[in-house]
Formats: sequence, structure tokens, C-alpha cells
Amino acid sequence: AQSVTQPDIHITVSEGASLELRCNYSYGATPYLFWYVQSPGQGLQLLLKYFSGDTLVQGIKGFEAEFKRSQSSFNLRKPSVHWSDAAEYFCAVGSGGGADGLTFGKGTHLIIQP
Amino acid sequence: SQTIHQWPATLVQPVGSPLSLECTVEGTSNPNLYWYRQAAGRGLQLLFYSVGIGQISSEVPQNLSASRPQDRQFILSSKKLLLSDSGFYLCAWNLSPTEAFFGQGTRLTVV
Repeated sequence: AQSVTQPDIHITVSEGASLELRCNYSYGATPYLFWYVQSPGQGLQLLLKYFSGDTLVQGIKGFEAEFKRSQSSFNLRKPSVHWSDAAEYFCAVGSGGGADGLTFGKGTHLIIQP
Repeated sequence: SQTIHQWPATLVQPVGSPLSLECTVEGTSNPNLYWYRQAAGRGLQLLFYSVGIGQISSEVPQNLSASRPQDRQFILSSKKLLLSDSGFYLCAWNLSPTEAFFGQGTRLTVV
């Protein structure tokens, strides 16, 4: 069965500093990988996704993520965070072969210090 | 363009009462539909998914059920709510495994 691990429950970053959120997945074949962001009390917004091609994926709001098969990782990065980036971030993996939904990590809560 | 609607946005229900949450999708046909639950500190858990009218797959045994009476309507129900049913419920849809679009969620508090 597929699984996703986000090892950091909380991360605090100063505004303007760089950010990296970690995500490791377990899946037997090439996975479909996603990063979502959730503001308090809101649904999930897709930041970016990877399912083939270039392993460095660009997303919305200045985010990017790199797929590293050898490390089973799909870490999310941003060179300079803004206060509005404070939110919950979820990494997810899809099986790619059917309609049985995504498997999510437990999320990382990002706090931005002024 | 496609949109997904979920309601109500918030709900407070007593233990033992019934539940009905509704999700509808516009602008697409024959979508795959999903119900997820987000409990505090536990990420998102897939509860049910449906690939067509009347077709429901359950991922975990629980006090909840789902139905799909129409192509773009997905309903989450319970006959008797438990305290442990509290959480944030999200509906989602897609047409292929390379995408997933979420509603705004329903905050359910069972008291």
C-alpha cells in the first residue's frame, strides 16, 4: 500500500527566508505526486503536481518541488516566503492506475515570523 | 469551468443524531467523487469514493455511509453520529489520477 510521510509537523520560518518542506513516499511504481495548501477552515488548493517528465516542477505562488526517485522524496521549496504563505501543507501520492483517490501525509503547519 | 460545492460549511450536531452532507460538481460529466475526513493532527483520510452512479467504495469501516444518486451528486450520511465523527469533511472530484479538486469543506462538531 502507498504511504506518505511528512516528518515535520510544524516549521517556523522568518519572512523572506527560504523554505523546504519534506515529503517521502512509499509506492511500488512511478507515483503521481502532489502538494496542496490549506488555509484555516478552507479546502485544499493544488500548488503543483508531478507524474512524468522534468523532475523539477514549478507551481503556483512561487513554489517548486523536486522528485528524487532514489530518495523517494518530493520536497517543496520556496526561495523567499511571505507572511501569506502561513498555512497547512499536504503532500499526497496517487496510484496513477485508478480512481481510488490520493493518500495524504499528515501535513506540515508553516508559521511565518515577521 | 468546473466547480464543486459542499454544504453546509459548518454543522453542530448532538450525539445520536443523523447526518447528511452534500457535494455537487458542475461543469463536468461522470467524475470520480471522493469523501475525505480531516481529523486534528491526522491528515486526510479517504472515506469513500465513487466512479459512477450507485457505485460506492468504502476505504475504512465506520459509522458513515455514502451515496451517489446522480452523476454529479455525492452524499455522506450517518444514522447516528458519534463524538468521534467530529472533523473536517472534504469532497473532491477528478476525471483522471493526475488531478484532484477539492470543495471548501464542512466542519462537523458532534456534541
